[in-house]
Amino acid sequence: EAQVTQNPRYLITVTGKKLTVTCSQNMNHEYMSWYRQDPGLGLRQIYYSMNVEVTDKGDVPEGYKVSRKEKRNFPLILESPSPNQTSLYFCASSVGTAVRSPLHFGNGTRLTVT
Amino acid sequence: AQSVTQLGSHVSVSEGALVLLRCNYSSSVPPYLFWYVQYPNQGLQLLLKYTTGATLVKGINGFEAEFKKSETSFHLTKPSAHMSDAAEYFCAVGRVDTDKLIFGTGTRLQVFP
Repeated sequence: EAQVTQNPRYLITVTGKKLTVTCSQNMNHEYMSWYRQDPGLGLRQIYYSMNVEVTDKGDVPEGYKVSRKEKRNFPLILESPSPNQTSLYFCASSVGTAVRSPLHFGNGTRLTVT
Repeated sequence: AQSVTQLGSHVSVSEGALVLLRCNYSSSVPPYLFWYVQYPNQGLQLLLKYTTGATLVKGINGFEAEFKKSETSFHLTKPSAHMSDAAEYFCAVGRVDTDKLIFGTGTRLQVFP
């Protein structure tokens, strides 16, 4: 089954404790992206990647890192999480870019930073 | 620059009633327009999209949207709501020249029996 898999689904952590949210897609998609969803703000793009070893900042990249060492994986790293990073995070992938091709989303990771 | 505004963060309808979710956009170039739907505890999925050509676009589950350039709108409609339509709906505007996609803030649709 074609899918984008994020782990974990839920994560509670404390300020400053490094964490990684994994994302993997099995559709051989070139484009991958991370979004955060906050009430009243909709989805905002954190980082995106057009291909292996190519990553770019989205609209809200501060406090986040990503890597794209393999085509299928695009982990999101929070080196020193803070409470303002409490949010619902989505990984997405598409054949082309987010504008030219439909985005396929994972089921989300709900992160709470205390 | 581009932006998208969804009027009404919550919309409630009775089962069988018309669904109308409003979306207005701003774009300095001809836009690509999208509606995505998010069912509870799931990621978003594409409902429909407008690129060029026919201004009335049909999507999945009986939804459709009409691109009205003069009104800078892309409202989503469905003639008869079903309980399973309860979800959050996101309008998005994209620019082909920058490959930038901007999502609206979402409208939560409730359907009452």
